[in-house]
Amino acid sequence: EAQVTQNPRYLITVTGKKLTVTCSQNMNHEYMSWYRQDPGLGLRQIYYSMNVEVTDKGDVPEGYKVSRKEKRNFPLILESPSPNQTSLYFCASKEDRANTGELFFGEGSRLTVL
Amino acid sequence: AQSVAQPEDQVNVAEGNPLTVKCTYSVSGNPYLFWYVQYPNRGLQFLLKYITGDNLVKGSYGFEAEFNKSQTSFHLKKPSALVSDSALYFCAVRDTIGNTPLVFGKGTRLSVIA
Repeated sequence: EAQVTQNPRYLITVTGKKLTVTCSQNMNHEYMSWYRQDPGLGLRQIYYSMNVEVTDKGDVPEGYKVSRKEKRNFPLILESPSPNQTSLYFCASKEDRANTGELFFGEGSRLTVL
Repeated sequence: AQSVAQPEDQVNVAEGNPLTVKCTYSVSGNPYLFWYVQYPNRGLQFLLKYITGDNLVKGSYGFEAEFNKSQTSFHLKKPSALVSDSALYFCAVRDTIGNTPLVFGKGTRLSVIA
């Protein structure tokens, strides 16, 4: 089954404790992206990757890091989480770098930073 | 800069009645337009898109949308609403000029009442 898999789905952590949210897709997609969803703000892009070893900042990259060492994986790293990073996070992928393709989303990771 | 607006936070409709979820956009060039749906505790799912060609686009679950260039709108419609259509709907736009990201609206919550 074609899917984007995120882990963990739910996480409660404390300020400053490094964490990683993993994302893996099995569709051989070139493009991958991370979004955060907050009430009243919709989805905002954090980082994206057009291909292996290529990553770029989105609208709200502060406090986050990513890497794209393999085509299928695109982990999101919070080096020193803060309470304002409490949010619902989505990983997404699409098959090409053209602007016409639709995104496939993971089920989401709900992060709470105390 | 590109932007998208969903003017209604909430839309209520009776089951069996037609539904409309509104979306307007702003781009420098021509738009690529998308609708996504999010069911509770799930990731976003692609519904339909307008890239070029026929202004009336048909998508999943009986939904359709009409691209109106003069009104810069891309409203989502369905002739007969189902209770199972209750969800959060997102409109998204990307400019055809340049390597611009996909920008999401803030979402409209649709409630279909039996």
